[in-house]
Parts: sequence; C-alpha cells; structure tokens
Amino acid sequence: EDQVTQSPEALRLQEGESSSLNCSYTVSGLRGLFWYRQDPGKGPEFLFTLYSAGEEKEKERLKATLTKKESFLHITAPKPEDSATYLCAVMNSGGYQKVTFGTGTKLQVIP
Amino acid sequence: DTAVSQTPKYLVTQMGNDKSIKCEQNLGHDTMYWYKQDSKKFLKIMFSYNNKELIINETVPNRFSPKSPDKAHLNLHINSLELGDSAVYFCASSQYNYGYTFGSGTRLTVV
Repeated sequence: EDQVTQSPEALRLQEGESSSLNCSYTVSGLRGLFWYRQDPGKGPEFLFTLYSAGEEKEKERLKATLTKKESFLHITAPKPEDSATYLCAVMNSGGYQKVTFGTGTKLQVIP
Repeated sequence: DTAVSQTPKYLVTQMGNDKSIKCEQNLGHDTMYWYKQDSKKFLKIMFSYNNKELIINETVPNRFSPKSPDKAHLNLHINSLELGDSAVYFCASSQYNYGYTFGSGTRLTVV
C-alpha cells in the first residue's frame, strides 16, 4: 500500500528564517508527487507537481525537490502569510491513478 | 466564479438522519473526487468518478453513495448518519495527472 510520511508535524519559524519540510514516500510506481497548502477552514490549494527524481519547481519563496524516496519543500525567508499546513501527496501509476496524502506539516511563521 | 463549489458549507444533523452534499465544478475536468478529512487533518479518498463512471471506491460503508449526473457534478448521499461520520468532506476535480482543485469543504457534525 502506498504511504506518505511528513515531518516535522509542526514547525515554528521566525520571519526570515529559512527551513525545509520533508515528505518520505513509498509507492508502487510514482506517477507524480504533489504539494498543497491548506489554510484553516479551506480546501487544499495546489502548489506543485513533480514527476521524476531530480526535478525542481519554484514559486515565490517555495522550492520543491524530488528524489526517489523523498521530497523537500524549501521555504526561503518565510513571511507570516506563509503560515499554513503543507500537504504532500503521491499518485501511483496504477490504472486508477490513486492519490495518497500525508498528514501534513503545520507551519507557523512569527513576525 | 468558484471553480469547485460544494454545498452546504456546514451541516449539523442528528444520528440516523439521511443527508446529501452537492458538488459542482466549472473547470471542464474529467475526474471528480470525494475526500474525507478527519480531526487529525488526514485526507482519505472515498470515491472517484471519471466522465460519470465510478473508478475508485475505497473501503467506505455502503451508507455512503455517490452520484454523478454529469461530469461537472458529483453528489454524496449519506444514509443513517453515525457519530463517526463527523468530519470535513472535500470535493475535488482534476484533469489527467495534474493537481487537484478542491472545494472549500463541508463540515459535517453528527449529534
């Protein structure tokens, strides 16, 4: 069964203090790895898709990277508005393209 | 215009009642989903429809019945509600291997 483990569960950063979130996965054939941002009381918002090891994607202060076993979401010089829960998910290459989510990292950026 | 809209946003009901949640997407996506997010924020797939055809049906009690009248709509009907059904239910849509677009969620509370 596909599995996604995210660490840490919670992370508290000072504004401007860069850090990384980790997503470890096991999947029966990776079709894609996704990162989402979820604000309280809202649905997850799509950030990135990574398809193969070595791939990198960037958006503002966020950069996602992928290896064969894990993905990192690097946050450079975060701002308070980056505070949210960040979810990682994997899609397997099976016929139904099932997506499995991790439990997320709750990020708090303090001014 | 909201891309994925689901109604109602909040639903409080007594045990044993039957209720429905509606979802509509205006993105032209072929695939729609229902996810359940528990109190620990874990997102678990319940159902997936592709062009009105059921393609993923996870281990969900048969009190839950999805219906897709067309590819822009996916509704969820729940019979004989139980306390354990309390959660946030998210509808989502996607095209091919791209990331999901989620609705804002329906918070179901069974009392």
